[in-house]
Amino acid sequence: GENVEQHPSTLSVQEGDSAVIKCTYSDSASNYFPWYKQELGKRPQLIIDIRSNVGEKKDQRIAVTLNKTAKHFSLHITETQPEDSAVYFCAAITDKLIFGTGTRLQVFP
Amino acid sequence: DGGITQSPKYLFRKEGQNVTLSCEQNLNHDAMYWYRQDPGQGLRLIYYSQIVNDFQKGDIAEGYSVSREKKESFPLTVTSAQKNPTAFYLCASSSGSEKLFFGSGTQLSVL
Repeated sequence: GENVEQHPSTLSVQEGDSAVIKCTYSDSASNYFPWYKQELGKRPQLIIDIRSNVGEKKDQRIAVTLNKTAKHFSLHITETQPEDSAVYFCAAITDKLIFGTGTRLQVFP
Repeated sequence: DGGITQSPKYLFRKEGQNVTLSCEQNLNHDAMYWYRQDPGQGLRLIYYSQIVNDFQKGDIAEGYSVSREKKESFPLTVTSAQKNPTAFYLCASSSGSEKLFFGSGTQLSVL
């Protein structure tokens, strides 16, 4: 079955800097790659997603890139703000959604 | 903040006891899921259902059971066979199998 690895497990950045979170997946048949943000004590919420026929997608300060050959995808957050502090999960899907282990991002003012 | 509702928010289980976590959605979604969240281990799939009266085991189904008698409801029972039940349980639903909408979760603890 699908296996998703996510790095780093924790990430600390200064406000205004960029943050990058990377994920790899094992099943080449995976065709959909969402990213979820979970703030402390709240439910995970979808922030951006990408399909296997697209290499990059942007939405304001966040972007996701996909390298199908290498089977990895990354989340990029630019101009980070304290409210970006949360746990971020990547996921990949074939017949069901499998999540990575999460990255705790801390943005310091 | 509607759409998918989990209850209770907190639940305590005594040893040898079965407990049931409720999940209800009014989004008319066909698919529903149960995930377990432990610190540092992300979200692990327990069971999922893509249609009424049908469900499949996820990666960590042992010690759990589910039913899907109605489209709106997907309750999860944590049985006494689950020896380490303390975790945060998240229910989710989707119209296909992609964009998941999560409930607010149930924190289960053992007395």
